[in-house]
Amino acid sequence: QVQLQESGPGLVKPSETLSLTCIVSGDSVTSGNYYWSWIRQPPGKGLEWIGHVSYTGRSNYNPSLKARVTISVDTSKNQFSLKLISVTAVDTAVYLCARFDSSGWFDPWGQGTLVAVSS
Amino acid sequence: EIVLTQSPGTLSLSPGERATLSCRASQRVSSSNLAWYQQKPGQAPRLLIYGASSRATGIPDRFSGSGSGTDFTLTISRLEPEDFAVYYCQQYGSSPYTFGQGTKLEIK
Repeated sequence: QVQLQESGPGLVKPSETLSLTCIVSGDSVTSGNYYWSWIRQPPGKGLEWIGHVSYTGRSNYNPSLKARVTISVDTSKNQFSLKLISVTAVDTAVYLCARFDSSGWFDPWGQGTLVAVSS
Repeated sequence: EIVLTQSPGTLSLSPGERATLSCRASQRVSSSNLAWYQQKPGQAPRLLIYGASSRATGIPDRFSGSGSGTDFTLTISRLEPEDFAVYYCQQYGSSPYTFGQGTKLEIK
């Protein structure tokens, strides 16, 4: 059974960098046909796809966040990470990691972690 | 970017009833590249349907998806107590991949 678990600080100051990690168990991040994704959900709002990356480095980012986002895979630790620079209050959200099937859907997902941007 | 609009925002039904959830796209979703997810409070979203009508592994057959083009539907034939949750549609026909705002299915 594949499981994903997010970890990282729950509070980030404005203008700083948000960094989160997603630990993968039950599967390898080097599995073919999969990308490793981040999605976020601001309080009371819908889901927003942030981007995804394969272990070979192929990536695709949401244009609305592309200038500030980096997603990377660490094959030695079987995990992947999100970095979002220059955060503001609008980046406050629950951040979820998920495995993205190259056919286009997300399965499975982590439970999500709330990150607040505040001084 | 394809905008997905889900309706209704909230659906109040009783166990045993039939639920029909709608997802409308602002432009055609190519090749029926649409998925449905279920999310319960404090839990990870769960894939229910992909390809507009294919059930994911382990999903009961009371869940069914249909539609094409711009109009898609998730139907739950007979509601079980564990089905009350928030449901999201997602299109993967074109990047950026987008989600609907969700339909909350609550017990009447």
